[in-house]
Amino acid sequence: QSALTQPASVSGSPGQSITISCTGTSSDIGGYKYVSWYQQHPGKAPKLMIYEVSNRPSGVSNRFSGSKSGNTASLTISGLQAEDEADYYCMSYTTSTTRVFGTGTKVTVL
Amino acid sequence: QVQLVQSGVEVRKPGASVKVSCKPSGYTFSSYGISWVRQAPGQGLEWMGWISAYNGNTKYAQNFQGRVTLTRDTSTSTAYLDLRSLRSDDTAVYFCVRDKNYVFDIWGQGSMVTVSS
Repeated sequence: QSALTQPASVSGSPGQSITISCTGTSSDIGGYKYVSWYQQHPGKAPKLMIYEVSNRPSGVSNRFSGSKSGNTASLTISGLQAEDEADYYCMSYTTSTTRVFGTGTKVTVL
Repeated sequence: QVQLVQSGVEVRKPGASVKVSCKPSGYTFSSYGISWVRQAPGQGLEWMGWISAYNGNTKYAQNFQGRVTLTRDTSTSTAYLDLRSLRSDDTAVYFCVRDKNYVFDIWGQGSMVTVSS
């Protein structure tokens, strides 16, 4: 199972919106609603930000939103803030009943 | 408070084995599965496998088939990762995570495993 494809880096100024893409296949992202997104600050464990494509866990800012079209999922961060600077990973369930992560995206707040 | 507490730092020589533990608290252990994820220094997240805390069923990533074993002890509510034939590229932080219907909602603090001669 190959890793899902994400851009290596995305940047934006405070207050702007950015979108991170996550591309897979019909055997993972395209076939299921089980796409989730994780935020990881340096030296910390990842944190769940979005689950089942577009749902936010309690306590996660509504500036984070998720969507999916075909084999590509997206995470949008609106009103970018300094604290959003981190690595972001997508993850999907697969037809093999395994899970697969994306390659990861470093978000920089300019 | 729901949390997963993992065992500490491990140092092993190439060819050896390592066993990492993960003890959840704050919820009924058998209600959810546990997945294991590793992260090599400066690298991304890699899913290794999943175990049902309810019946012990397992699923492994192809990259680790034959070299990793996931177990759980219901009497102590603890999950374990056993990795054999260690190589230098197994040096990583190993995370256990509560796998709630393919959603990783609670993460352990991570266990650093260093493989070096």
